[in-house]
Amino acid sequence: DGGITQSPKYLFRKEGQNVTLSCEQNLNHDAMYWYRQDPGQGLRLIYYSQIVNDFQKGDIAEGYSVSREKKESFPLTVTSAQKNPTAFYLCASRGRRTGANVLTFGAGSRLTVL
Amino acid sequence: AQKVTQAQTEISVVEKEDVTLDCVYETRDTTYYLFWYKQPPSGELVFLIRRNSFDEQNEISGRYSWNFQKSTSSFNFTITASQVVDSAVYFCALSQGGGATNKLIFGTGTLLAVQP
Repeated sequence: DGGITQSPKYLFRKEGQNVTLSCEQNLNHDAMYWYRQDPGQGLRLIYYSQIVNDFQKGDIAEGYSVSREKKESFPLTVTSAQKNPTAFYLCASRGRRTGANVLTFGAGSRLTVL
Repeated sequence: AQKVTQAQTEISVVEKEDVTLDCVYETRDTTYYLFWYKQPPSGELVFLIRRNSFDEQNEISGRYSWNFQKSTSSFNFTITASQVVDSAVYFCALSQGGGATNKLIFGTGTLLAVQP
């Protein structure tokens, strides 16, 4: 079955450590996105990529970094510069034939900073 | 500025009751899209519906129906004869036009709990 796989599902990190969240899709989608979800705040866009080797900052990119070396993969690194990294992180993708902004989401990764 | 407001933070109903989830949006664009997504306890968001700004026709899909009213900037979602499986967080979202560069603006979500 086609879809988006995020790993790990749960992650604990000590303050000052970088951590990388994996996002892999086998939908042959061009565009990929990272969102952050906090209680009572909905989803906020961190980074997005429309094509391999290209990505743009979203609304809350500070303290995060991404890469897009392969079409299928869009990993997110939460750096030590992110002041409040504890959150639920969702990866999404969109294909060219998909209707305007209809996204397919992964099951998410929950990051907790100890 | 674009904004989506879901004033209902949590709703609790008993199975078989009808329930309406409210969504009010703000935008200065004439072309835009509105969405509803469902987030079950598993975490991933599931697409339910997309509406463009030129199509105010209401839509019904099984027990789900959507009422789009541009005059009140609302896109409300009704579940008829609710079931326990409907328990989830529901997000309303807005985007300007299409394309990967056009961001989805999400509301804060409404947690629906359907009691047996």
